[in-house]
Amino acid sequence: QQQVRQSPQSLTVWEGETAILNCSYENSAFDYFPWYQQFPGEGPALLIAIRSVSDKKEDGRFTIFFNKREKKLSLHITDSQPGDSATYFCAARDQGGSAKLIFGEGTKLTVSS
Amino acid sequence: NAGVIQTPRHKVTGKGQEATLWCEPISGHSAVFWYRQTIVQGLEFLTYFRNQAPIDDSGMPKERFSAQMPNQSHSTLKIQSTQPQDSAVYLCASSRGVSGNTLYFGEGSRLIVV
Repeated sequence: QQQVRQSPQSLTVWEGETAILNCSYENSAFDYFPWYQQFPGEGPALLIAIRSVSDKKEDGRFTIFFNKREKKLSLHITDSQPGDSATYFCAARDQGGSAKLIFGEGTKLTVSS
Repeated sequence: NAGVIQTPRHKVTGKGQEATLWCEPISGHSAVFWYRQTIVQGLEFLTYFRNQAPIDDSGMPKERFSAQMPNQSHSTLKIQSTQPQDSAVYLCASSRGVSGNTLYFGEGSRLIVV
């Protein structure tokens, strides 16, 4: 049972456009939602994260929008650059104690120039 | 400041053989995590240690997988009697605090079982 779901599976945008990556979850106990970026041959790296007490987190061109009631969040990448081409993982952590992160399936983003 | 170091980067092993994967966390980090990544299953949590103690192994296949952290500078993941379905990239990550807010991943060990 996939507790964290992402869509779309893959996304292609033109350079300069805004890419929108979606994530949803089932467990109401999840309270921390990081997004990780992974390039081929590398391990994932933390990009930006939000806690369930907030509805928006911004860091440069990257913004997370969070809707606790609907158990949904999205990552917006504005002014997309070819260097943003990577796989993006949404993850969640249960406030119940274990520090493990549950990852979604990932969205492969391609930015064409 | 070196990142998480994983060895070997690539390993090919025959079905039924044993495979041991090594991880050196970032110095000073108190938590170490193991994940498995495949195309089909994505990133799956296996186990984690906090201050060298095993905390959560809920993702570990019970029979052939084991993990240890004998000291603060390395952790091992051992797979006995490897099967083709064990083929994956095994990722180790460490975090500074015990809550694991930011995981720093290594580049992974790609295991191929033939």
